[in-house]
Amino acid sequence: EVQVVESGGGLVQPGGSLRLSCAASGFTFSSYWMSWVRQAPGKGLEWVANIKQDGNEKYYVDSVKGRFTISRDNAKKSLYLQMNSLKAEDTALYYCVRDWSLFDLWGRGTLVTVSS
Amino acid sequence: DIQMTQSPSSLSASVGDRITITCRASQSISRYLNWYQQKPGKAPKLLIYTASNLQSGVPSRFSGSGSGTDFTFTISSLQPEDFATYYCQQSYSTPPWTFGQGTKVEIK
Repeated sequence: EVQVVESGGGLVQPGGSLRLSCAASGFTFSSYWMSWVRQAPGKGLEWVANIKQDGNEKYYVDSVKGRFTISRDNAKKSLYLQMNSLKAEDTALYYCVRDWSLFDLWGRGTLVTVSS
Repeated sequence: DIQMTQSPSSLSASVGDRITITCRASQSISRYLNWYQQKPGKAPKLLIYTASNLQSGVPSRFSGSGSGTDFTFTISSLQPEDFATYYCQQSYSTPPWTFGQGTKVEIK
């Protein structure tokens, strides 16, 4: 089955760190850009970051630049998002998404809550 | 960054109605505009890509049009399963990719 499955979310204090993971299966992971897209509770969708097939090109939304780092391990068919200096406004459901300038495969998301 | 403005933010309609949602980009994005459907508690689903191409498996009552800065998404005959929130998303040139704020389609 073609799917992506996120993990690693949880409750973290402001200023803390968290690492999200995404496991891909059923498709050639190394052939695709991959993205993280988030959705704050009751709000709309916000693209967060993406990474090229070989990991050598990355882009971020301004609000997370310098705090979040996207990475991938093609051998493990996995995508990661290292999140540092977390803020309350980072609270959201984080989706792992296959990205070829359109988002055709989404996971179920992993919830990140930043609160004291 | 390219800003996407969707309208309306919500609408009420009946089964069988034709509905239209518009999306305007802050600069020309050619035809690099995609549409998604999201139901409560579910991940978004791609419906239309590059303005007017129907994703595989999506019913033909869904359609899209437009180019440049102005785009339209239409459901020709609203079905009960179509009540959801719809988002446009631009993918012009390089990231950041941006979404519209969403349009919630509710039952009248």
